[in-house]
Amino acid sequence: GQQLNQSPQSMFIQEGEDVSMNCTSSSIFNTWLWYKQEPGEGPVLLIALYKAGELTSNGRLTAQFGITRKDSFLNISASIPSDVGIYFCAGSRGGAGNMLTFGGGTRLMVKP
Amino acid sequence: DAGVIQSPRHEVTEMGQEVTLRCKPISGHNSLFWYRQTMMRGLELLIYFNNNVPIDDSGMPEDRFSAKMPNASFSTLKIQPSEPRDSAVYFCASSYPDRADGYTFGSGTRLTVV
Repeated sequence: GQQLNQSPQSMFIQEGEDVSMNCTSSSIFNTWLWYKQEPGEGPVLLIALYKAGELTSNGRLTAQFGITRKDSFLNISASIPSDVGIYFCAGSRGGAGNMLTFGGGTRLMVKP
Repeated sequence: DAGVIQSPRHEVTEMGQEVTLRCKPISGHNSLFWYRQTMMRGLELLIYFNNNVPIDDSGMPEDRFSAKMPNASFSTLKIQPSEPRDSAVYFCASSYPDRADGYTFGSGTRLTVV
């Protein structure tokens, strides 16, 4: 079963607003990743984080790897309609095969 | 690079029938994963292979599910016999071993069992 708690489960916001979502775990991960899934497609990697405390940006997206290695957050600034989708956090403990554990997802809806 | 290729994109079948889902990973990726996605349970890992060898199949729901990877460029997930509760989107993903950022998903197969 899932070991990552992701919140909120869904968000309905106005275009232009900032968005924040987070992920927590009871255990440590060595890598945190954030994916976006659009309708009818598989998840696509947005940001990967490799060190505790790391803050990484990708355009309007910013993600941080928590100091305790048990959490991560993703911020989206100035949302636009094409930001709509499901955002997943994922953690990896590394090692052969780099198996990922996924959060339950945050469904984002943006009103123009 | 064509990415991870899954077929078919959609499959509708009757309960009791055998279903075979197919996946072609990205060339050079040594790890391959099968996931199932439902509204209730989210993304669940079913099985993963490393260098064509099944490493962890603890997520396979029951004996009706089986997966094979006969070579580095092809994998199948088979359900026999299928049941309505198997209806879901099944994703295949591949990656370079020991690199979490190399995880690429296919577009999925939407399975409906009626």
